[in-house]
Amino acid sequence: EAQVTQNPRYLITVTGKKLTVTCSQNMNHEYMSWYRQDPGLGLRQIYYSMNVEVTDKGDVPEGYKVSRKEKRNFPLILESPSPNQTSLYFCASSRLTGRDRAFFGQGTRLTVV
Amino acid sequence: DAKTTQPNSMESNEEEPVHLPCNHSTISGTDYIHWYRQLPSQGPEYVIHGLTSNVNNRMASLAIAEDRKSSTLILHRATLRDAAVYYCILYGGSQGNLIFGKGTKLSVKP
Repeated sequence: EAQVTQNPRYLITVTGKKLTVTCSQNMNHEYMSWYRQDPGLGLRQIYYSMNVEVTDKGDVPEGYKVSRKEKRNFPLILESPSPNQTSLYFCASSRLTGRDRAFFGQGTRLTVV
Repeated sequence: DAKTTQPNSMESNEEEPVHLPCNHSTISGTDYIHWYRQLPSQGPEYVIHGLTSNVNNRMASLAIAEDRKSSTLILHRATLRDAAVYYCILYGGSQGNLIFGKGTKLSVKP
């Protein structure tokens, strides 16, 4: 089954404790992207990648890192989480051509205390 | 970047058709028109997409203007479960990044 898998689904952590949210897709998609969603602010892009070793900043990259060492995985790294990174995070993947639909993960609800 | 323009909100009555418009006057010839929706407290969900011809699937229909500068998402019989934010996005071609705008918040009245 074609899918994007995010882990964990829920996470409560403390300020400054490094964490990684994983995102994996099984469709050999070139494009992957991370978004955060906060009440009233819609989906804002954090980082995206158009292929292995190719990543670029979205609208709100501060405080986040990503890597794309393999095509299937696109982890989101918070080196020193802060309370303002408390949010709902979504990962997406797609072919670059736009000919096919994009797929989204189920979301990760992160709370930083 | 080519952008899309959608109304901020629309209302519909249950079991009536809904036409959600989207303008994209700077679309390039290879940009696909994608529609996604997001129900409250859930992740984005694919609805439909197309390039030039009108498209139908079990969820909706997509009507694309002949000049491709606008499109309309048609929900044939709105249900309460269709209440969501609907996003019209240009992707592929000249748009190599999947960017969400503000979308249209659809309310469905019983």
